[in-house]
Amino acid sequence: RKEVEQDPGPFNVPEGATVAFNCTYSNSASQSFFWYRQDCRKEPKLLMSVYSSGNEDGRFTAQLNRASQYISLLIRDSKLSDSATYLCVVVGGATNKLIFGTGTLLAVQP
Amino acid sequence: NAGVTQTPKFQVLKTGQSMTLQCAQDMNHEYMSWYRQDPGMGLRLIHYSVGAGITDQGEVPNGYNVSRSTTEDFPLRLLSAAPSQTSVYFCASRRALMGTDTQYFGPGTRLTVL
Repeated sequence: RKEVEQDPGPFNVPEGATVAFNCTYSNSASQSFFWYRQDCRKEPKLLMSVYSSGNEDGRFTAQLNRASQYISLLIRDSKLSDSATYLCVVVGGATNKLIFGTGTLLAVQP
Repeated sequence: NAGVTQTPKFQVLKTGQSMTLQCAQDMNHEYMSWYRQDPGMGLRLIHYSVGAGITDQGEVPNGYNVSRSTTEDFPLRLLSAAPSQTSVYFCASRRALMGTDTQYFGPGTRLTVL
């Protein structure tokens, strides 16, 4: 089983739609969680951290469910510029290394 | 600040050739790392360093060497290139190994081995 698993998509949604991605992780000792965004042929960039209480940044909401070992990202009112690959990142146990999911591709259609 | 820089952006090698991918950061970060990204595989850690003079292996270290003589630079050496090393390589840095600081990535090197 992979340490971090994501649905690869693609998710094709119209502008203005709400879309949600989930990511599951296997190491229950994981302490930190992030969502990164990666545009085509570019480097990953931090989108937001994920806190136990959930957090929101504009149209983006991230949530953590430790009991079920998954994190989620909700994007409201999708824009064309949201089209990208979204990478789930888990900081693993004692090593504190970042473990990346394979990414979920989002394509927002006009 | 330039952040994390990588050179070259693109490289084509023949099997058996060696080369060095350069990485530098100007943020005084202790922790630097190299990843490769392949379709369907996600980002996989090759080697990392927690400070000058200290390096360690990641998930896929075979065929690669690293050194960290200064805080700023973390070059990745391919000893004898193989087609299986065709990939996009990203260098990254963050303030320290521990903690939850943002990890910054360089723009990547796209390597093709023929």
